[in-house]
Amino acid sequence: TQLLEQSPQFLSIQEGENLTVYCNSSSVFSSLQWYRQEPGEGPVLLVTVVTGGEVKKLKRLTFQFGDARKDSSLHITAAQPGDTGLYLCAIMKTSYDKVIFGSGTSLSVIP
Amino acid sequence: EAQVTQNPRYLITVTGKKLTVTCSQNMNHEYMSWYRQDPGLGLRQIYYSMNVEVTDKGDVPEGYKVSRKEKRNFPLILESPSPNQTSLYFCASSSVPAPKTGDYEQYFGPGTRLTVT
Repeated sequence: TQLLEQSPQFLSIQEGENLTVYCNSSSVFSSLQWYRQEPGEGPVLLVTVVTGGEVKKLKRLTFQFGDARKDSSLHITAAQPGDTGLYLCAIMKTSYDKVIFGSGTSLSVIP
Repeated sequence: EAQVTQNPRYLITVTGKKLTVTCSQNMNHEYMSWYRQDPGLGLRQIYYSMNVEVTDKGDVPEGYKVSRKEKRNFPLILESPSPNQTSLYFCASSSVPAPKTGDYEQYFGPGTRLTVT
């Protein structure tokens, strides 16, 4: 079974700080998704990255896909308490294949 | 409103008593899947379906069955539940990825918390 490693596992920061979380795989994959999950709710899809080297922005969130399509990062600028949640990455080896999730990064932003 | 619904939201049952968790989506999505989420193990895919009558195993299919007789519904069946199937279950549905960008819609249901005693 392919593993998808996320780091750090836990992150607690002050409001206004910047942070980066990482998602790494030992294998190349076709697409990578980032999700945010709040307690008691289902994950919400934030972005999909497909092309090696691709960078996508969603307000204060910047997502980058590694050139070799084996890793990705999520950078949050000026974190706010509303960013608190579990951030998950997930990959599909090919379109319409099974999905593998990382174990997540639990982010807490303290006011 | 785009929606994935699951029922029941909470279920406490006993070992061996067959149960079904229903999942329905109103977006005409082709791809649907079931996940379980456990502390320290993250989300693991149980089964997925690429279209009506087409299903395939995810990473943890043992002890589960699914069917896809209609596009909108994808029930999860536990024929003989055991305590190790106590978990939080999510159903999800997805659109077809866009050819160039790979972008697609995906929605998760609200979750079903199952306890097997």
